Amino acid sequence: DAKTTQPPSMDCAEGRAANLPCNHSTISGNEYVYWYRQIHSQGPQYIIHGLKNNETNEMASLIITEDRKSSTLILPHATLRDTAVYYCIVCSGGGADGLTFGKGTHLIIQP
Amino acid sequence: EPEVTQTPSHQVTQMGQEVILRCVPISNHLYFYWYRQILGQKVEFLVSFYNNEISEKSEIFDDQFSVERPDGSNFTLKIRSTKLEDSAMYFCASIALVGQGKAKNIQYFGAGTRLSVL
Repeated sequence: DAKTTQPPSMDCAEGRAANLPCNHSTISGNEYVYWYRQIHSQGPQYIIHGLKNNETNEMASLIITEDRKSSTLILPHATLRDTAVYYCIVCSGGGADGLTFGKGTHLIIQP
Repeated sequence: EPEVTQTPSHQVTQMGQEVILRCVPISNHLYFYWYRQILGQKVEFLVSFYNNEISEKSEIFDDQFSVERPDGSNFTLKIRSTKLEDSAMYFCASIALVGQGKAKNIQYFGAGTRLSVL
């Protein structure tokens, strides 16, 4: 079973920041936090990942708490195209590891 | 931007028939994966493959499934005798670097093949 807990759904107004929380209280020291999203039934799309420091890329920012038991994905200016299911996944990053997807958060961007 | 490509996008087959789903991973990637997603359910890991061998497999990946890298570019999933419950989206993924800075280990997914078993 997935080792993360996410709210099943969230709404956000277009143009506002979308903040998606994730709890991963049993995360191990060598596990990364990965975020993916899936639009309709398309293939999961990588967004961002981190170990313990906050990370930012062109898509999003990832804030990881100091104890690493939770994190927040931030989409700074949400658009309608950001409507998707967002998955928070913990994984050691080793090549053999399959990703364990949970049910994710269905983010709906409202016009 | 390099991407994982999967063919066909939709495969329809009769129960009991064999199907082969094809994937072309990103060219310099070393690890390859198959996942499936039954309609309305979670994405589930099936198998990982490295250096022409299976590295890990899930309970779902039973004897009716097999994987192969028949040449330098393709990676295939074969289902020997399809069942109705094999109807799902099947996703291929690949990863570039292993053991050389896990910070760079990112699985990139293809668009998927929708398998419909009638």
